[in-house]
This record gives sequence, C-alpha cells and structure tokens, in this order.
Amino acid sequence: QQKVQQSPESLSVPEGGMASLNCTSSDRNFQYFWWYRQHSGEGPKALMSIFSDGDKKEGRFTAHLNKASLHVSLHIRDSQPSDSALYFCAASEQTGYQNFYFGKGTSLTVIP
Amino acid sequence: GPKVLQIPSHQIIDMGQMVTLNCDPVSNHLYFYWYKQILGQQMEFLVNFYNGKVMEKSKLFKDQFSVERPDGSYFTLKIQPTALEDSAVYFCASSSRLGGLEQYFGPGTRLTVL
Repeated sequence: QQKVQQSPESLSVPEGGMASLNCTSSDRNFQYFWWYRQHSGEGPKALMSIFSDGDKKEGRFTAHLNKASLHVSLHIRDSQPSDSALYFCAASEQTGYQNFYFGKGTSLTVIP
Repeated sequence: GPKVLQIPSHQIIDMGQMVTLNCDPVSNHLYFYWYKQILGQQMEFLVNFYNGKVMEKSKLFKDQFSVERPDGSYFTLKIQPTALEDSAVYFCASSSRLGGLEQYFGPGTRLTVL
C-alpha cells in the first residue's frame, strides 16, 4: 500500500484563482511533511515543509497540516501560469531519509 | 540559481551490463542524494552520501548499487549488473546542509534496461 496518497491527480484553475492540493498518509508515525514542485523537464524543488498542526504561509502558498487525520494540503492563491507543474507531497517519520516517502503527485495547470 | 547537472540524460543498456550515472552537484554542497522514479510511480529515496561515506540507504539500494565521489568530481551511481527493474528515472540532488528544503535536484537520467 502506498504510504502517501495525493488528490486530485490533475487540476486546472484559471489564472488568479485558488489551487488546492491534498495529501493523505497511511502511517500514523509520520511527523514531517514537505511539498515539492517539479516543472516539466526539470528536477523537483522543495517548496515548503510543515511539521506542526495548523497553517504555514509563505507568500502565495499556504500549507495546512492535521496530524490527527493524517492530512496535509497546499493552497496556492492568485495562481499564475508559472505555477503549472507537478506537485509532490512527501512524509517521513523522522528527519532522516530512510523512511521518506513521496506521493505520485498532482499535475496543476493554470489557464491564462 | 544553482544547478545540478546529470549526465547522460538518457541511457539505454542491455540487462546484465554495468552503468554509471553521473551527477555534477552544486559546487559548495556537501551532501549528495540519489532518488529513483519508475514511470507512473512515486519518486523514492535511494541513498545519501557525505564526507565520502553512505549515510543512509533505503531497501531499494540493492547490493548491485554503489555510489562514490572521487576527488570532488562527479557524484556517481553505479549499477552492476543491471536488471530490468532498474529501468527508471534517476534523480540526483545535493545540499549544503542535510534537509529537505535545502536540496537542489538535477533533471534526471532516464535509464532503460533491455
């Protein structure tokens, strides 16, 4: 069973709109969560990390974590065409990498 | 910004052969990583490397895999011998500190084992 599941698989939003991406883990030991973004033809780039329940805001990006429901989300307000990319969620039990799991990703398209 | 380069971008080899994937990390970075992504699947951590040694490795890092960075040159992933299930995109990453947000990823090497 995949430890990190993302939804939706793909998402289209109009320019200026709000994009909401979801991630659910199946392992209650996960304590640390990250969001990565990968533009076509490039490697992934870490966007944000969130380790505590609640919201974490960085510019137009807000991550929300609810450890009780094992759910983390990423909200992108005022979406721009340059935000079009594949977004990965990742989770781990500890700060090391041995138990570091990625989701399959959500493909976001921002329509001008 | 800083870039990680991976050479080659594509590699096709016959099963049982040896393959070396090369990564040119960001120049002042000290930590190096390899990840594997099978087509249509999630990316998975393979190994990280610091000060000439493997720090952590996952179950995917089989005995046929090895990594090294001789004399500050390329950080390499060697697979010997290759198997069909090794077909995947391999991403290299580097960082100045150990941690998720600090990593810079390369564009990947697509390995096809026939």
